[in-house]
Amino acid sequence: GAVVSQHPSRVICKSGTSVKIECRSLDFQATTMFWYRQFPKKSLMLMATSNEGSKATYEQGVEKDKFLINHASLTLSTLTVTSAHPEDSSFYICSAVQGSGADIQYFGAGTRLSVL
Amino acid sequence: RKEVEQDPGPFNVPEGATVAFNCTYSNSASQSFFWYRQDCRKEPKLLMSVYSSGNEDGRFTAQLNRASQYISLLIRDSKLSDSATYLCAVILNTGGFKTIFGAGTRLFVKA
Repeated sequence: GAVVSQHPSRVICKSGTSVKIECRSLDFQATTMFWYRQFPKKSLMLMATSNEGSKATYEQGVEKDKFLINHASLTLSTLTVTSAHPEDSSFYICSAVQGSGADIQYFGAGTRLSVL
Repeated sequence: RKEVEQDPGPFNVPEGATVAFNCTYSNSASQSFFWYRQDCRKEPKLLMSVYSSGNEDGRFTAQLNRASQYISLLIRDSKLSDSATYLCAVILNTGGFKTIFGAGTRLFVKA
């Protein structure tokens, strides 16, 4: 299957700092990438849909100024958690699709963020 | 009502058992359906797609019932390595495609 790389896998930061997470499709071009958040024993919650060359589409309740998404190329999308607070601590996962959004998603390994 | 619902379990079964999971979805415009497997603190990995005609891959069988709006996953001859959380996923077309995941069903297979 297709390979999606997500970096870093683990971040521990102080409250108030910003954290950038990268998601790369290594062997295919991803027109669409998705960003999810997952709390322990809970489902993946879609945060936003990232489309190359255009603004991300955020889900209801997700602050676009808090979670900045940039999809500058067909192989890279970034999520920046700005002014992180302890309640932002979570598991963030990206995924990418090769074709339309109706295709199989390939997931990155996830980033575990801990804000102290 | 949640868009995608699953029994959270856990299902505790002995090795060799057959276990079945169901997942219901509320949006009749749902287009595509998948089962993913997620191990603890890892990302989801695609297990199989789900079709109305049924889909079998070794010990795993998935079914879609559009009339009743549910999908199922059957695991035969359970192995210890099958222990994981199984997520059903439904793709909606709401002007753009969006995948909704169920909360997952936890399976523990014991020797």
